[in-house]
Amino acid sequence: QKEVEQDPGPLSVPEGAIVSLNCTYSNSAFQYFMWYRQYSRKGPELLMYTYSSGNKEDGRFTAQVDKSSKYISLFIRDSQPSDSATYLCAMSQETSGSRLTFGEGTQLTVNP
Amino acid sequence: KAGVTQTPRYLIKTRGQQVTLSCSPISGHRSVSWYQQTPGQGLQFLFEYFSETQRNKGNFPGRFSGRQFSNSRSEMNVSTLELGDSALYLCASSLQPGTPPEQYFGPGTRLTVT
Repeated sequence: QKEVEQDPGPLSVPEGAIVSLNCTYSNSAFQYFMWYRQYSRKGPELLMYTYSSGNKEDGRFTAQVDKSSKYISLFIRDSQPSDSATYLCAMSQETSGSRLTFGEGTQLTVNP
Repeated sequence: KAGVTQTPRYLIKTRGQQVTLSCSPISGHRSVSWYQQTPGQGLQFLFEYFSETQRNKGNFPGRFSGRQFSNSRSEMNVSTLELGDSALYLCASSLQPGTPPEQYFGPGTRLTVT
């Protein structure tokens, strides 16, 4: 069983929809939770990260972490065609330096 | 400020050969990590270097190795290539290892082994 599970999709939504992306994990030592966006033929781009449990908002993006359930989410409001990409969750432990453990990624398409 | 650069962007090699990939981190960043991305396994951690020392290693065979130079540039080497080594190899840099884990990825090197 993988340490981080993420539904690979694909997920297709109309422009303006609210998108919900989720990951579950099994390692309770994870303390940092990241969301990356990866466009085709590009490297992943860090969207936001949170430490431990709680919510974080950045523009149209909101990240939520529920450590008691080992469940994290990324919400995208008013989705745009330019949001079409693969979204990857990633996690790390405080003692593991820069080592990230990634989910498989969810492929999102926002249709105009 | 220039981002992470990786060279070459594309490579085609034959099974049994070896390959060296290069990564130049963002100026001022001293930590470099390498990842392998494949459709089946996703992104998997290879190793991390800081101050020319390997600090962390993922679960890959010894055919995968790396090093870091005094200017923080890093190289990774794969010897005796196998078909399964075909992947996108990504390099990420950060100011230093650990907290907060803000890593910036390069565009990757697409390796095809035939």
